[in-house]
Amino acid sequence: DAGVIQSPRHEVTEMGQEVTLRCKPISGHDYLFWYRQTMMRGLELLIYFNNNVPIDDSGMPEDRFSAKMPNASFSTLKIQPSEPRDSAVYFCASSLWDRGSDEQFFGPGTRLTVL
Amino acid sequence: TQLLEQSPQFLSIQEGENLTVYCNSSSVFSSLQWYRQEPGEGPVLLVTVVTGGEVKKLKRLTFQFGDARKDSSLHITAAQPGDTGLYLCAGWAFGTSGSRLTFGEGTQLTVNP
Repeated sequence: DAGVIQSPRHEVTEMGQEVTLRCKPISGHDYLFWYRQTMMRGLELLIYFNNNVPIDDSGMPEDRFSAKMPNASFSTLKIQPSEPRDSAVYFCASSLWDRGSDEQFFGPGTRLTVL
Repeated sequence: TQLLEQSPQFLSIQEGENLTVYCNSSSVFSSLQWYRQEPGEGPVLLVTVVTGGEVKKLKRLTFQFGDARKDSSLHITAAQPGDTGLYLCAGWAFGTSGSRLTFGEGTQLTVNP
């Protein structure tokens, strides 16, 4: 398996523009997670899905952020409009279950810079 | 909100030295995981500890889960430059919407040859 695939790997945009990050989870995994990592706040869970349904979006910072999972093999995280404070590395991860002992497999991340 | 505090935040040592990284919380976790992250990559799972007092060994790495399941430690014996990376602890806790993984801020380890 190719692992979790994210695109783009790097994104540079200007404040106010719409940004869409994409993720393909590992085939057969029922759970998909979006994280944001910054030096100041570390790794933060934004939202996670189970069987394409959003379960917990309490980590989504503002209404400017939205996430969708139209099918089992694809998810997007959209920021509209983007702001400089959104600059971070965004990770997608997937797992078979969300039991307390299951491994999350992370993608390589998308480094977002908002100017 | 469950918080995990890691210490130290930064650690720079010489090859061959031993080190311990700590992960502490006031909350109880059903299990705790340690991940390692290298630059430009996502975190990769090293180990999961589930039972209070559990000790797991992975070659030169020893992981321990506190008896009360609120804290954990990672001990590396005879560190090598290949151990350099960001070490993250993460605790699983169950809430009304299901389980949730909370990460500590990480310990950046540098092992100098």
